[in-house]
Amino acid sequence: AQSVSQHNHHVILSEAASLELGCNYSYGGTVNLFWYVQYPGQHLQLLLKYFSGDPLVKGIKGFEAEFIKSKFSFNLRKPSVQWSDTAEYFCAVNGAGGYQKVTFGTGTKLQVIP
Amino acid sequence: EAQVTQNPRYLITVTGKKLTVTCSQNMNHEYMSWYRQDPGLGLRQIYYSMNVEVTDKGDVPEGYKVSRKEKRNFPLILESPSPNQTSLYFCASSLSTVGSPLHFGNGTRLTVT
Repeated sequence: AQSVSQHNHHVILSEAASLELGCNYSYGGTVNLFWYVQYPGQHLQLLLKYFSGDPLVKGIKGFEAEFIKSKFSFNLRKPSVQWSDTAEYFCAVNGAGGYQKVTFGTGTKLQVIP
Repeated sequence: EAQVTQNPRYLITVTGKKLTVTCSQNMNHEYMSWYRQDPGLGLRQIYYSMNVEVTDKGDVPEGYKVSRKEKRNFPLILESPSPNQTSLYFCASSLSTVGSPLHFGNGTRLTVT
């Protein structure tokens, strides 16, 4: 079975601060990894995804994530956050060898203070 | 515009009164799924469908039913809602290819009193 852990439940940052949100997954085989973002009152949207190749993945709005296979991690980063980044962020995993089942982490609420 | 449409956006009902939340997608996606979102628990999968007439249980299927008679529609049925089904529900769709990103609807906030 696959699982995802997000250890930061609530993060508060000032504008221009750097961001790193942790994500660890558990799965025995090849994985596809995702970060989704949910802005207040809205549905989830894809931020970025990793399938294969370069472990450093760049997404929309200046976000990036690094896949470290040895650590089973896929942490999300942004060098300088903005107030508009206030949202909830979800890491998700899909075991590449299996059917299309996506497992989500519990989410991290990011609050950016102007 | 490519989208997943859920209705209604908000629903307040009483215990035991059957209800249906509709979901429709216009992207010709084979895969559709229902999730519920609860504070501190993230998104949990209720049911999913790989294609027409093919459905299967997710992680929290108890108290829910689904059907997939047409490719574009995937309604969620609560035959006898209970207060513990008060939640925010999302429908999502994707291509069937493993690893294809999910496209989400705008959500349905359900309150069962």
